[in-house]
Amino acid sequence: QVQLVESGGGVVQPGGSLRVSCAASGFTFSNYGMHWVRQAPGKGLEWVAVIWYDGSNERYADSVKGRFTISRDNSKNTLYLQLNIPRAEDSAVYYCAREAGGPLDYWGQGTLVTVSS
Amino acid sequence: EIVLTQSPGTLSLSPGDRATLSCRASQSVSSGFLAWYQQKPGQAPRLLIYGASSRATGIPNRFSGSGSGTDFTLTISRLEPEDFAVYYCQQYGRSPLWAFGQGTKVEIK
Repeated sequence: QVQLVESGGGVVQPGGSLRVSCAASGFTFSNYGMHWVRQAPGKGLEWVAVIWYDGSNERYADSVKGRFTISRDNSKNTLYLQLNIPRAEDSAVYYCAREAGGPLDYWGQGTLVTVSS
Repeated sequence: EIVLTQSPGTLSLSPGDRATLSCRASQSVSSGFLAWYQQKPGQAPRLLIYGASSRATGIPNRFSGSGSGTDFTLTISRLEPEDFAVYYCQQYGRSPLWAFGQGTKVEIK
């Protein structure tokens, strides 16, 4: 069965850096685009970034462009999100999700990132 | 840039009632590229509907989606206790590529 398991969340200082990961299993990871979506405490869902199935292209939300980097290692079935120069408003649960030609059909359980000094 | 507006913000209903949730886009959504998700407290979102009206795998047929252009609707024909949750619409394909509405909470009256 499809499984997505995020890890790497925690407390990071404003202006610091953090990398969160998403380990995929149960499907051919290299065939699918992958996304990061976040949810601040008590708030709605915010799309963050997408990476094409082969890593050839990436797109970002304006709120994170230039600060966050999405990447993947298809040999390790793992998706990454590098958070650079995080701000307090980046505090959220970060979900990875598999894209099925547009809609996001499988989601991980999320990893909590807290930006605080 | 496309913006999705969901209404109402909260829907107070009883089990067995019919729920009608609205999602309005600021621009036409390409080819019906509109999805609906359900999220329960402490859980990840779950895909319910894609392509505006197609049910995802394993989704009960009491959930249905309709609409085109800028106006879309999620209907739950008869609410079951497990359907009380927050529902999000999402468009894919137009800037900002993947965007969510702000959500509608369906709560027990």
